[in-house]
Amino acid sequence: EDQVTQSPEALRLQEGESSSLNCSYTVSGLRGLFWYRQDPGKGPEFLFTLYSAGEEKEKERLKATLTKKESFLHITAPKPEDSATYLCALVAGTASKLTFGTGTRLQVTL
Amino acid sequence: DGGITQSPKYLFRKEGQNVTLSCEQNLNHDAMYWYRQDPGQGLRLIYYSQIVNDFQKGDIAEGYSVSREKKESFPLTVTSAQKNPTAFYLCATAGGYTDTQYFGPGTRLTVL
Repeated sequence: EDQVTQSPEALRLQEGESSSLNCSYTVSGLRGLFWYRQDPGKGPEFLFTLYSAGEEKEKERLKATLTKKESFLHITAPKPEDSATYLCALVAGTASKLTFGTGTRLQVTL
Repeated sequence: DGGITQSPKYLFRKEGQNVTLSCEQNLNHDAMYWYRQDPGQGLRLIYYSQIVNDFQKGDIAEGYSVSREKKESFPLTVTSAQKNPTAFYLCATAGGYTDTQYFGPGTRLTVL
């Protein structure tokens, strides 16, 4: 069974304090790994798709990387508006559905 | 204005009632999905449809029903058989040759 584990469960950073969120996975035949941002009471917003180990993608202060066992979402010099829950998901093998982690709640304070 | 719309945003249901949640999209995506989100848990798949007039059960389909009569619409009915329906419900779509799913704004259902 495909498994996705996100850590930490919650993270509090000061503005400008860079850090990384982790998404570790156990699957057979990864087809894609996805990162989403979710604000309270709203639907997840798509950030990145990664397909193979070594791939990296960037968007503003966010950078996603992928290895054969885990993915990292690096946040450089975060701002308070980066506060949200970040979700990791993957699709593997012949599955038609995504498997989601439980998310990391990020709070960035002044 | 392209995208995915869900209505209503908030829904209150009395025990024993069936309620229907709407999901409409104008992205021309073939696949549509319904998820349930509870605090402290990952999104769980209820039903999905990859083409019109066809749909499959997800991981937690009991107590729910769907239809896919049009490409643009994928309504979800929460029946009285669903024992714990209070949750945040999310609709998603995917299209082309990608597995990337895009989500609607969600409907929060509360059972009174």
